[in-house]
Order: sequence, then structure tokens, then C-alpha cells
Amino acid sequence: AQSVTQLDSQVPVFEEAPVELRCNYSSSVSVYLFWYVQYPNQGLQLLLKYLSGSTLVKGINGFEAEFNKSQTSFHLRKPSVHISDTAEYFCAVRMSGGYNKLIFGAGTRLAVHP
Amino acid sequence: DGGITQSPKYLFRKEGQNVTLSCEQNLNHDAMYWYRQDPGQGLRLIYYSQIVNDFQKGDIAEGYSVSREKKESFPLTVTSAQKNPTAFYLCASSIGPVSFYEQYFGPGTRLTVT
Repeated sequence: AQSVTQLDSQVPVFEEAPVELRCNYSSSVSVYLFWYVQYPNQGLQLLLKYLSGSTLVKGINGFEAEFNKSQTSFHLRKPSVHISDTAEYFCAVRMSGGYNKLIFGAGTRLAVHP
Repeated sequence: DGGITQSPKYLFRKEGQNVTLSCEQNLNHDAMYWYRQDPGQGLRLIYYSQIVNDFQKGDIAEGYSVSREKKESFPLTVTSAQKNPTAFYLCASSIGPVSFYEQYFGPGTRLTVT
């Protein structure tokens, strides 16, 4: 069965420091990969997605992610975080073909401190 | 403004009562979804619908029911058979069922059953 593992449940970081949120997936077929952000008591907003092509994907709010097929990873990075980046971040995988089903990781709570 | 509306934002019910959560979208999307979110577990798919008058069970459909009589509406009923109904419920939609398309999320409904 396909699964998504977000290796850190919480990541504390100081403002203006770099951050990496880790995501690994298990799948034997081609996948599409997504990162979503959720602010408290709100829905999810798409940060970025990898469908094909360049393995380095740039998204909104200065975030980027790199798809590594050999390591089955899709880690999210930002070179300098802001207080406003404090939120929960979800990695999601969708298998190519079939219906439009997303498999989500458990989430990583990013806490940015002044 | 196009988007997904979920109402109400907070909902309280007594145990043993059925409750219906509303989800409306004006994006003209064919596919709609219901997810349940619990702390530390990410999002789990309850039901999805690829087209009007058709829907399929997701991973945790027991104790839930849906209908899709109109393209823009996909209400979710949490029945008394659902053993742990207290959760945050998210509705989503996408242009079509083909695996390329992004899912857009509503703001969510937090259901508390006592």
C-alpha cells in the first residue's frame, strides 16, 4: 500500500533561519507530489506540486521542494522563514492513473520563533 | 469570488443524533471530496464523487453518508453509527477526476459530539 511519511511532527525554528520539512513516500509507480499548508482552523492551501519535468519545484511564499526519485523523497525548503510561516504543512502523494485520490502524511507543525 | 463554502464553521451535537455538514462550490468542478482530519493523523478520505449522481466510498466511509444531486453541492451526513465523530471535516473539489488536477479545499467544519 502506498504511504507518506513526514519524518518530523514538529519543527521549531527562529525567524530568518532556513528550514527543511522532510517527506518520504512509498510507491512502485509514478507519482505526483504536493505540499499543502494549513493555518489554524482553516482549510488547506496548495504550496507547490511536482507532476513531471524539473525535479526542483518552486511554490508560493518562497518555498521550494526537490523530488528525489531514488530516495523517494520530496522535502520542502525555505531559505529564510517568517513568523507568518507558522502553520501545519502536509505532504501528499497521488498515484498516476486511476482516480484523483490524495494520500496525506500526518503533517509537520512549523513553529517560527522571534 | 469562486471557492468552496462549508457551513457552519463549528457544530455541536449530542451523541446519537445525525448531523449534516454542508459543502457548496461555485468553481464548476466535476469532482468533490470529503476528508476527516484528526490530530497527528493527517487527512483521511471519507467519500468522493466524480460526477453528479455518483459517489464512491473512501478509506473511512463507515458511519457516513453523502449525496450528489447537484454539481455544486456535496453534503455529508455523520450518522449515529460513526463511533468517533468529533473531528475537523474538510470538503474539496477538483476540475475533473483525471489525476492531473489540483484539489481545492474549503475552510472546514469542526464537529464536536458530546
